[in-house]
Amino acid sequence: GAGVSQSPRYKVAKRGQDVALRCDPISGHVSLFWYQQALGQGPEFLTYFQNEAQLDKSGLPSDRFFAERPEGSVSTLKIQRTQQEDSAVYLCASSGAGGGTEAFFGQGTRLTVV
Amino acid sequence: AQTVTQSQPEMSVQEAETVTLSCTYDTSESDYYLFWYKQPPSRQMILVIRQEAYKQQNATENRFSVNFQKAAKSFSLKISDSQLGDAAMYFCAYTTGLYKYIFGTGTRLKVLA
Repeated sequence: GAGVSQSPRYKVAKRGQDVALRCDPISGHVSLFWYQQALGQGPEFLTYFQNEAQLDKSGLPSDRFFAERPEGSVSTLKIQRTQQEDSAVYLCASSGAGGGTEAFFGQGTRLTVV
Repeated sequence: AQTVTQSQPEMSVQEAETVTLSCTYDTSESDYYLFWYKQPPSRQMILVIRQEAYKQQNATENRFSVNFQKAAKSFSLKISDSQLGDAAMYFCAYTTGLYKYIFGTGTRLKVLA
């Protein structure tokens, strides 16, 4: 596609519910990142994929968070048993080869846990 | 650990005037990349300008330019001839080029008509 696409744009979940957030990166982009952005803050790194391999998941806040990219394109971020502190905007970004190339961001999914 | 600091939570500028947003960072690496991203209310992060640390020349993109001071670990963004459409959150970001981008906390820019 022309840009990074994320769905849904908004998600309201009841506390304890599982959610799945989807990211469709720019076609051909090897690298894919997930970030969490709390209100009024900068994006915080969650995890990174190079093709289908998850090379870094050090930013995932708990074992309730799980991300996958099984075929090296679309990625899903899953949050189990959501808590109020999970409320944030979840941003996905993709980039081509390394070397500090530009990361292209999607519009994010705003998750509200009630 | 690498960190990025933006000490100005909010800045205001009159339309057509010039404004400078500050960013400092901490790293022990010699090779890295710095970015300024703009985030309007739509939430989409848009790249404004990019600087490679090995380049001494400051990057420029139309009305946007940077003052990159490697020794001081400073990377400020200058916006000339400010326009109403420049109003947004601006984030400074750092990466070694491997993968992880580290962002500052952002500066909200207001443009006054």
